Amino acid sequence: EAQVTQNPRYLITVTGKKLTVTCSQNMNHEYMSWYRQDPGLGLRQIYYSMNVEVTDKGDVPEGYKVSRKEKRNFPLILESPSPNQTSLYFCASSLLGQPYEQYFGPGTRLTVT
Amino acid sequence: QQQVKQSPQSLIVQKGGISIINCAYENTAFDYFPWYQQFPGKGPALLIAIRPDVSEKKEGRFTISFNKSAKQFSLHIMDSQPGDSATYFCAARGGTSYDKVIFGPGTSLSVIP
Repeated sequence: EAQVTQNPRYLITVTGKKLTVTCSQNMNHEYMSWYRQDPGLGLRQIYYSMNVEVTDKGDVPEGYKVSRKEKRNFPLILESPSPNQTSLYFCASSLLGQPYEQYFGPGTRLTVT
Repeated sequence: QQQVKQSPQSLIVQKGGISIINCAYENTAFDYFPWYQQFPGKGPALLIAIRPDVSEKKEGRFTISFNKSAKQFSLHIMDSQPGDSATYFCAARGGTSYDKVIFGPGTSLSVIP
């Protein structure tokens, strides 16, 4: 089954404790992206990647890091989480040049206290 | 000018009625306009998409109408069903980068029996 998986699905952590949210896709997509979803703000892109070792900032990259060492994986790293990073996070992937047809993961609900 | 505006924020429609969600944009460099549907607890999924050289696209009960001169587009859901209850996001590809999609803030649709 073609899918994007994320782990963990739910995470409660404390300010400053480094965490990683994993993302993996099995569709051989070149393009991968991370979004955060907040009420009234829709989906805002954090980072995206067009291929292995190629990443670029989205609209809200502050406080986040990513890496793309393998085509299928695109982890999101919060080195020092803060309460304003409490949000619902989605990973997505698509064929290169077709970001309008992204496949989204199930989401990770992050709470930073 | 990278914004996509969406209204209403929430919508309640009776079963069998027509649901209408409107979106507007400023940047004429946008070149592809997808709509995503998100059920509670799930990631968004592509519903239907349109290019600006097409005035209307229909897929089953879902229709996108596009007014290029007014820079507006809308989603019509005919014969709305309780199973259509979800959050709908309009989006636009392009602008400063054809590798990105800008999402509207979303519309929460409830279809009541």
